[in-house]
Amino acid sequence: SYVLTQPPSVSVAPGKTARMTCGGNNIGSKTVHWYQQKPGQAPILVMYNGADRPSGIPERFSGSNSGNTATLTISRVEAGDEADYYCQVWASSSVLFGGGTKLTVL
Amino acid sequence: QVQLQESGPGLVKPSQTLSLACTVSGRPISSGGHYWSWIRQHPGKGLEWIGFIYYSGSTYYNPSLKSRTTISVDTSKNQFSLKLSSVTAADTAVYFCARTLYYYDTSAYFDHWGQGTLVTVSS
Repeated sequence: SYVLTQPPSVSVAPGKTARMTCGGNNIGSKTVHWYQQKPGQAPILVMYNGADRPSGIPERFSGSNSGNTATLTISRVEAGDEADYYCQVWASSSVLFGGGTKLTVL
Repeated sequence: QVQLQESGPGLVKPSQTLSLACTVSGRPISSGGHYWSWIRQHPGKGLEWIGFIYYSGSTYYNPSLKSRTTISVDTSKNQFSLKLSSVTAADTAVYFCARTLYYYDTSAYFDHWGQGTLVTVSS
């Protein structure tokens, strides 16, 4: 079965760039979506179809997908970006989520 | 603006059936164009998709939960529901409902979520 692999944690200083990866076999051939979840809250969609931002999501958020890795990039990181981030695809006739990456803003 | 709200018992006994409802406001489910999902999150863990339904009643389920899952829709109440049978402690989780965009066997994603409801399975 298809597996999505995310690093458990990423740390970045304010104002710097955070890159969160999502690995999967030939994930570049799939459509990847990303969610942000803060403690005690429901996830929110921050990127869909690989590189499209929903309304209300800052331009600082961008996405890319190629080969075996999809990446969510957050530029000029702010304290409010600290959260868990999940990638998600459709594979094997099912929705699959990655295990999530905790972004810590130092 | 679409809003979703989960409701149902917060405590279910082992071997019984977990039943939750999700009430949608701001858009009729029967207007089509979207599917409606259930997703859960075990305490301190990641997200797990349970399944989704179209207003017509067409359903798709996570293969790992399919044998115990029933999702139904009531367009007159603008609600959809989840039943998960034969629950164990492993089904203790926060259950979310979500509006879903699904492109046949290619892609699915969730653009609006309910706040979630914690269901504990315990005697």
